[in-house]
Amino acid sequence: EAGVTQSPRYAVLQEGQAVSFWCDPISGHDTLYWYQQPRDQGPQLLVYFRDEAVIDNSQLPSDRFSAVRPKGTNSTLKIQSAKQGDTATYLCASRRGIQDTQYFGPGTRLLVL
Amino acid sequence: GDSVTQTEGPVTVSESESLIINCTYSATSIAYPNLFWYVRYPGEGLQLLLKVITAGQKGSSRGFEATYNKETTSFHLQKASVQESDSAVYYCALGDTNAYKVIFGKGTHLHVLP
Repeated sequence: EAGVTQSPRYAVLQEGQAVSFWCDPISGHDTLYWYQQPRDQGPQLLVYFRDEAVIDNSQLPSDRFSAVRPKGTNSTLKIQSAKQGDTATYLCASRRGIQDTQYFGPGTRLLVL
Repeated sequence: GDSVTQTEGPVTVSESESLIINCTYSATSIAYPNLFWYVRYPGEGLQLLLKVITAGQKGSSRGFEATYNKETTSFHLQKASVQESDSAVYYCALGDTNAYKVIFGKGTHLHVLP
């Protein structure tokens, strides 16, 4: 069984530029999470979906961040007008049902100059 | 609020020594917290090490153990004899009921010397 895949693995931007991150969860996993992990911090939840529906996006900076999962499979996280404070690793995780645990992808490391 | 506090690293121990990484939690909005330890080995993604969903129970994996203590709100990670291959970053985490939302601690870097 393939794991959670993410792309790109690395991104370097100037402030003000936009960037998109892509996540392909494990097949059959209905729940998908996006986390932001600043250096020397733990992962912090940004948003999560069950199928195509957003369940919780309360921690997503809505003015510049957006996330979609239109068919309930792959997902895209987008940052408009990136800031230096967005420098972090962005992790995607997926899960099947309430008995399972989260499986994490390798992450995308973002550096905003 | 809900939060997790764990031993600040880095923690350095020699092979075959014992290890404890402290973790305490605050779950003010979660009626039945689930507790986890995740680990990230060098060059690998974050993965679950062990979990306990019932207070008073102990979880174990790969020689590591952690007991869910509701009275002291703690979930310390212990191992009797570490190996060099245990070198990694360890994260204590708190989940709501069914663990749809998980709150992570800052992580503890463990270095095991040969």
